[in-house]
Amino acid sequence: KAGVTQTPRYLIKTRGQQVTLSCSPISGHRSVSWYQQTPGQGLQFLFEYFSETQRNKGNFPGRFSGRQFSNSRSEMNVSTLELGDSALYLCASSWGDRPSGGEQYFGPGTRLTVT
Amino acid sequence: EDQVTQSPEALRLQEGESSSLNCSYTVSGLRGLFWYRQDPGKGPEFLFTLYSAGEEKEKERLKATLTKKESFLHITAPKPEDSATYLCAAPRRGAQKLVFGQGTRLTINP
Repeated sequence: KAGVTQTPRYLIKTRGQQVTLSCSPISGHRSVSWYQQTPGQGLQFLFEYFSETQRNKGNFPGRFSGRQFSNSRSEMNVSTLELGDSALYLCASSWGDRPSGGEQYFGPGTRLTVT
Repeated sequence: EDQVTQSPEALRLQEGESSSLNCSYTVSGLRGLFWYRQDPGKGPEFLFTLYSAGEEKEKERLKATLTKKESFLHITAPKPEDSATYLCAAPRRGAQKLVFGQGTRLTINP
């Protein structure tokens, strides 16, 4: 069974630009969550989508947005990039149908560098 | 405020030297405690889920245990390939949002 895939794996962007990252969950998983990982802040929750609806959102500015498609694939977008947005962006998928959430399986991440 | 705290921040062991990593949590309505392993430049790899106090799970040289306030990841006779950052996380009530600890960076010297 294929795992979670994320594209691209690496990105270099300039301040002020925007970027779109893509995530394909494990087949059959309906929930996709996004996390930002930095050395200083660790893993921080961005948002979660289930059946094309955003269920939860973390404490990030409105420049961070996402969506989920009918096939459960998800994209996240960051507009007007800032230097502090440099991070490893991780996508995680799960069945999503349990109150506790169930196990989340992570992709390899997209390393975004903003210059 | 929901919080997950891991200790120590870093741990160096000799090959074969057993030890334990700690994860304490203050998450209301705990609905599971997850352990992950993360290698540099990669996404976290799922290891265990513990749902109730007293529960234990094992995988190779790792054993995870859970009490009402903390979880331990015991590593027995570790090998250099066990070197990684170990993360614990807890989901908030009714949400997929995982609250992560800062991780323990484990190094096993041959």
